[in-house]
Amino acid sequence: ETGVTQTPRHLVMGMTNKKSLKCEQHLGHNAMYWYKQSAKKPLELMFVYNFKEQTENNSVPSRFSPECPNSSHLFLHLHTLQPEDSALYLCASSPDVSLAFSYEQYFGPGTRLTVT
Amino acid sequence: KNQVEQSPQSLIILEGKNCTLQCNYTVSPFSNLRWYKQDTGRGPVSLTIMTFSENTKSNGRYTATLDADTKQSSLHITASQLSDSASYICVVSPASGGSYIPTFGRGTSLIVHP
Repeated sequence: ETGVTQTPRHLVMGMTNKKSLKCEQHLGHNAMYWYKQSAKKPLELMFVYNFKEQTENNSVPSRFSPECPNSSHLFLHLHTLQPEDSALYLCASSPDVSLAFSYEQYFGPGTRLTVT
Repeated sequence: KNQVEQSPQSLIILEGKNCTLQCNYTVSPFSNLRWYKQDTGRGPVSLTIMTFSENTKSNGRYTATLDADTKQSSLHITASQLSDSASYICVVSPASGGSYIPTFGRGTSLIVHP
């Protein structure tokens, strides 16, 4: 196990639903990340948090709303999603956010999201 | 636009054989290049990381090489095992330019058959 857990592992939601993804890291890291992984596409960095502060929003639509109450927990709130948002959502953590991502990131197993 | 291209897209080999995966990038200047292994149903796990000044880095049966002049990297797997079946992702991080967001390749899907 990598020390990063994600719940739920699978989620099916309608376009009008509101749901949240949860990520928790037990590694004592200060930085946390959300990624989107779609079939046949590269991983896309969505959000970066360092010491609970958002340091990067990679042009993500507002229907995705992140929340980082402390350095160990990260949420992704979802509302009025589209079918093209169906993907694997991965959470990761690292000791700190460094320029050039030189710190190794530890990934969780992901949440498989299906939007119907 | 920064790009990372990986080849082949997929590869099937027999257990015990060697294989080499390729990664070409346009990120410039770049700070580091990392190879990840992603098993089905799991998140990626880092195999190696190299800075622009390094030519090779090994991690057990995995050896990554880097040619910063031609902007190419390869991942060589020696004496493949069934557990090597996974997706291998190349990631390149920029050194400057205002954004430090890395660029990910689409990955190479490797299947090792007994």
